[in-house]
Amino acid sequence: GENVEQHPSTLSVQEGDSAVIKCTYSDSASNYFPWYKQELGKRPQLIIDIRSNVGEKKDQRIAVTLNKTAKHFSLHITETQPEDSAVYFCAARGDMRFGAGTRLTVKP
Amino acid sequence: NAGVTQTPKFQVLKTGQSMTLQCAQDMNHNSMYWYRQDPGMGLRLIYYSASEGTTDKGEVPNGYNVSRLNKREFSLRLESAAPSQTSVYFCASSVQGFNTGELFFGEGSRLTVL
Repeated sequence: GENVEQHPSTLSVQEGDSAVIKCTYSDSASNYFPWYKQELGKRPQLIIDIRSNVGEKKDQRIAVTLNKTAKHFSLHITETQPEDSAVYFCAARGDMRFGAGTRLTVKP
Repeated sequence: NAGVTQTPKFQVLKTGQSMTLQCAQDMNHNSMYWYRQDPGMGLRLIYYSASEGTTDKGEVPNGYNVSRLNKREFSLRLESAAPSQTSVYFCASSVQGFNTGELFFGEGSRLTVL
């Protein structure tokens, strides 16, 4: 099955700073890479996704970049706000596996 | 639309008891999934159903059974609960398969096995 490694496991930033979370995968056939956000006590929800024919995708303060050669993709959050505090999960094709998650804390 | 609905939201069982978690979606999705979430372990796939009438094992299927009752409903059964099955369980659905787009999750079911 697909192995999805996610780093870091925890990340603390000051409000207004940027945050970057990285995931690596092993299956060259992977072609779809979503990111989910899970606030405390709530369900995971999709925030952005990218397909393998695109190198970068942006949605306001959130962006995802994909490097197929190196088999990694990253979530970038700019101008972080306290409401960005949550656990973020990446995923990749293959057994529908998720990364272990990154707990982001944005300090006001 | 209610989206994905799970019941019950909370349950406490004794070791060896059995129970069924119910899941229903009203989005006419073909694919449905059951995940468990443990601290520091992320979301791990237990079973999935790519379409009505089919079910397949995921990453951690031992100790569980599933039934795709119809297109809307996908249940998860614990025949003989063990403390290691204490977890939060999430049901999810998607239009068709994991690669086709968003997974819509239910609110989760918190299960404690004593």
